[in-house]
Amino acid sequence: EVQLVESGGGLIQPGGSLRLSCAASGFTFSSYEMNWVRQAPGKGLEWVSYISTGGSTTHYADSVKGRFTISRDNAKKSLYLQMTSLRAEDSALYYCARYSRRTAYFDYWGQGILVTVSS
Amino acid sequence: DIQMTQSPSSLSASVGDRVTITCRTSQSISSFLNWYQQKPGKAPKLLIFAASSLQTGVPSRFSGSGSGTDFTLTLSSLQPEDFATYYCQQSFSTPFTFGPGTKVDVK
Repeated sequence: EVQLVESGGGLIQPGGSLRLSCAASGFTFSSYEMNWVRQAPGKGLEWVSYISTGGSTTHYADSVKGRFTISRDNAKKSLYLQMTSLRAEDSALYYCARYSRRTAYFDYWGQGILVTVSS
Repeated sequence: DIQMTQSPSSLSASVGDRVTITCRTSQSISSFLNWYQQKPGKAPKLLIFAASSLQTGVPSRFSGSGSGTDFTLTLSSLQPEDFATYYCQQSFSTPFTFGPGTKVDVK
């Protein structure tokens, strides 16, 4: 069974940093591209970042470019999102989502992890 | 960046109704359009991929159509478990934008 489990969220002050993790199981992690998608409370879905299977290619939403860094460790079957210079508008539920360029959709999602940026 | 619009933003319907949701993109994306369903407190669930292909396990009352810039999600006969928010999403190019969502609630 495919499982994606996020961790690392919490309450952080504006300007602070946080690192999210996503532990994958039930599939060959190194064969799939991965993404982070977020959802502010009561709002819609916002794509945040993408990483290729080997980690050499990454893409970011303009809203996080230069502040967030996506990475992965295929040996540990884990995806990461390093978030710096956090702002109130970064407060959201962050999902990791599996993606395949061959199929071009997000087929499995984690349960989400909450990040709250507030003083 | 490709902009996404959805209409309506919300609708009220009854069990058994036929429901149609429209998604429009700011430029042609061929058939790189997916539909997701999200219920409160849950992660989104893939319903339709490549504009018209039904994801495994999704009931056949869901269907999708369209290509280019105009797409439609249709529920042929609304069931109690279908009350949720629906999002379209383009995978033609990054950023992988989502539509603003359509909330389907009980009339």
